[in-house]
Amino acid sequence: EPEVTQTPSHQVTQMGQEVILRCVPISNHLYFYWYRQILGQKVEFLVSFYNNEISEKSEIFDDQFSVERPDGSNFTLKIRSTKLEDSAMYFCASRGGWVGGSEAFFGQGTRLTVV
Amino acid sequence: DQQVKQNSPSLSVQEGRISILNCDYTNSMFDYFLWYKKYPAEGPTFLISISSIKDKNEDGRFTVFLNKSAKHLSLHIVPSQPGDSAVYFCAAPSNTGNQFYFGTGTSLTVIP
Repeated sequence: EPEVTQTPSHQVTQMGQEVILRCVPISNHLYFYWYRQILGQKVEFLVSFYNNEISEKSEIFDDQFSVERPDGSNFTLKIRSTKLEDSAMYFCASRGGWVGGSEAFFGQGTRLTVV
Repeated sequence: DQQVKQNSPSLSVQEGRISILNCDYTNSMFDYFLWYKKYPAEGPTFLISISSIKDKNEDGRFTVFLNKSAKHLSLHIVPSQPGDSAVYFCAAPSNTGNQFYFGTGTSLTVIP
């Protein structure tokens, strides 16, 4: 069964460092998302991406964040200068986009720990 | 602004009994709803969905009911099994599909 794959599963980084979280969405999906969940809190929307551009972003997704689909298969989230409060589980998701393909499928997540 | 709400943070049910998880929404423009199941340290897994043109959708032990006039949906699991113990999120996509609004989740514990 097709699945969304995220790497690494766990990333530890020092405050102020740049991190790149990687995702391989389900092939032939058209819409891509990043969400995060801080421990004990709700699942928060970060950004959506379609047709090689950001379609929507939340207030969380400030200038420190960027997304890219560099090669047609990977979808990356970059945090330029990490803060302690960026520690969270980050989930990538993809959606087909055709009629009946309205559910988003999520990856297993990357646990980001900023120390 | 929490457009999708799950007011019960936790629920405990005996194995074999029915689990009922509830969800309310505020945006009457939502026309599609989803339930996700999430185990600790894993991503949400799609469980079942319902379109606003229906009031019920069933898939095995899982049934979702939609009451549009009350802006309420519920997920019924019967019979409940210990493996169903997880956090359940209801969600709704925005009309553009650019975002999925998630509830805060209900942690279900099925007691053997």
